[in-house]
Amino acid sequence: GAVVSQHPSRVICKSGTSVKIECRSLDFQATTMFWYRQFPKQSLMLMATSNEGSKATYEQGVEKDKFLINHASLTLSTLTVTSAHPEDSSFYICSAPWTETPYNEQFFGPGTRLTVL
Amino acid sequence: AQSVTQLDSQVPVFEEAPVELRCNYSSSVSVYLFWYVQYPNQGLQLLLKYLSGSTLVKGINGFEAEFNKSQTSFHLRKPSVHISDTAEYFCAVSAGNNRKLIWGLGTSLAVNP
Repeated sequence: GAVVSQHPSRVICKSGTSVKIECRSLDFQATTMFWYRQFPKQSLMLMATSNEGSKATYEQGVEKDKFLINHASLTLSTLTVTSAHPEDSSFYICSAPWTETPYNEQFFGPGTRLTVL
Repeated sequence: AQSVTQLDSQVPVFEEAPVELRCNYSSSVSVYLFWYVQYPNQGLQLLLKYLSGSTLVKGINGFEAEFNKSQTSFHLRKPSVHISDTAEYFCAVSAGNNRKLIWGLGTSLAVNP
């Protein structure tokens, strides 16, 4: 099956700094990737759809300038949390749909736990 | 618009007992249905999916689910659970070509010895 990796798996940063999270599709190309945020004991919240070669599509209520998304290649999307604050602490998960499947099977990265002090 | 309802937020069960995790959805178009499992501090793993055809779908780890169109349900079952099945289970629906998944709020399955 298809594999999606995320890096780093955990990051702790000081308030006001920026953090970059990478999402890579290891053995397939992904023109689209999805970024989710998950609070403890809660479901996944779709933040944005990352599109290779074009601007990301953000869900309602998600600050574009706060969460910068860059889909620079067919295997890499990055999420940068700018000027992070403690309320940005969360579990961030990316996923990529494998276009070989006609349905919407998405492959998920293992997640990145961000803690902002 | 599509929506997903997982009726139970928490399900405690004893080891080797059967379990059913309920999922209902609403959609005006045909959908694909998925169950994912999330172990503590990990990403999501696909348990099983319904695309078309047989309404009884078998997945990994002994789980199965049945698609019931008239009741708009896709309940997940396992005849005998193990301690290792303790995890969060998410039901998800997708429809249309935008590849977005609509998620339920999750059911926390706690298997006790």
